[in-house]
Amino acid sequence: AQSVTQLDSHVSVSEGTPVLLRCNYSSSYSPSLFWYVQHPNKGLQLLLKYTSAATLVKGINGFEAEFKKSETSFHLTKPSAHMSDAAEYFCVVSGSWDGSQGNLIFGKGTKLSVKP
Amino acid sequence: GAGVSQSPRYKVAKRGQDVALRCDPISGHVSLFWYQQALGQGPEFLTYFQNEAQLDKSGLPSDRFFAERPEGSVSTLKIQRTQQEDSAVYLCASSLAQRGFSDTQYFGPGTRLTVL
Repeated sequence: AQSVTQLDSHVSVSEGTPVLLRCNYSSSYSPSLFWYVQHPNKGLQLLLKYTSAATLVKGINGFEAEFKKSETSFHLTKPSAHMSDAAEYFCVVSGSWDGSQGNLIFGKGTKLSVKP
Repeated sequence: GAGVSQSPRYKVAKRGQDVALRCDPISGHVSLFWYQQALGQGPEFLTYFQNEAQLDKSGLPSDRFFAERPEGSVSTLKIQRTQQEDSAVYLCASSLAQRGFSDTQYFGPGTRLTVL
């Protein structure tokens, strides 16, 4: 079965400093991995996705993530935090390899706070 | 362009009442998903449609939950005899491809259901 573990429930950074949100996955096959962001009272928005192409994935708003198979990790980073980055971030893995089951499996989320 | 819309945005129900939650996916999107997000948790998969066919309903928590998409576009999630544990945000997502697991899912803003 597929699963993801987000290692931190809450991360706090100062504006202008780097962001690191950690995620480990478990999968019996080469997974598709995603990061979604959820701002208060807004829908989930896709930041980036990995689907077995380049291991370093660039997303929107300056975020990127690196797929490391040896470490089963897919950590999300950003060089410099902005106040508008404050939100809940979810690491997500696909439910199956052949698309017969289309669901996404979400981690519990990491709340990112950005201090001025 | 129009995204995924959901109505109502907020619903308060007395325990034992039936509720119906509506999802309007992005026009032309083949796949439609329902998720349940409890407070402080990541979304959890409920059910999946490909056009009008419900291909997976393994995530529905009980037989009180029922979903339909009769014409392959709008979907309704119905909860009968609501219980307090049904209180959550119900998210709808749609994607363009038939095999949706690696395709981007676009989420609506959700319906927050509170059962008193």
